[in-house]
Amino acid sequence: NAGVMQNPRHLVRRRGQEARLRCSPMKGHSHVYWYRQLPEEGLKFMVYLQKENIIDESGMPKERFSAEFPKEGPSILRIQQVVRGDSAAYFCASSLKGQENTEAFFGQGTRLTVV
Amino acid sequence: GENVEQHPSTLSVQEGDSAVIKCTYSDSASNYFPWYKQELGKRPQLIIDIRSNVGEKKDQRIAVTLNKTAKHFSLHITETQPEDSAVYFCAASRRDKIIFGKGTRLHILP
Repeated sequence: NAGVMQNPRHLVRRRGQEARLRCSPMKGHSHVYWYRQLPEEGLKFMVYLQKENIIDESGMPKERFSAEFPKEGPSILRIQQVVRGDSAAYFCASSLKGQENTEAFFGQGTRLTVV
Repeated sequence: GENVEQHPSTLSVQEGDSAVIKCTYSDSASNYFPWYKQELGKRPQLIIDIRSNVGEKKDQRIAVTLNKTAKHFSLHITETQPEDSAVYFCAASRRDKIIFGKGTRLHILP
């Protein structure tokens, strides 16, 4: 089991470009979470998805940010028209299908830098 | 929604002494409380967790306590070692949505 895989590890985008961050959950996990971490700060919840469904997106900015978790393939966090304030580490985590109160395993994160 | 407060934000302890980090949560329906450790530049990793039907749990030098009535939970690290230096996050979960505290940066002083 390769664990939660995120790519790319580092992403540099110019202002106005689009950023696509990918997350492949652990095998058998169908619950995916995205968190954002600014330097020297905590993990801020963005969105919780299950296969083909957004369960809770209360932490997502209303504009420019979107997330999906298709039936096949990785979960994608998409940021359109990036601005300098989007620079952060974005962590994905996954947990086991159908069970409450189970450990969430984190990926290595994608460090986005907007120049 | 759930809100998790964590204190202190920074903690320095002498090597060999104990460290205590405290958290409070707002949603009384939260029933799972994990603690994560994040070393510099790395991913958060689970170090211990506790469920709402348990008041205390211990794993070697690490222990967690939970007071559901007061909605408090704490992490205790005894006999601290240099490798304990990291950022520690508490979290509260209900139906798989996990909300984290802002973290405590723990420094172990030689």
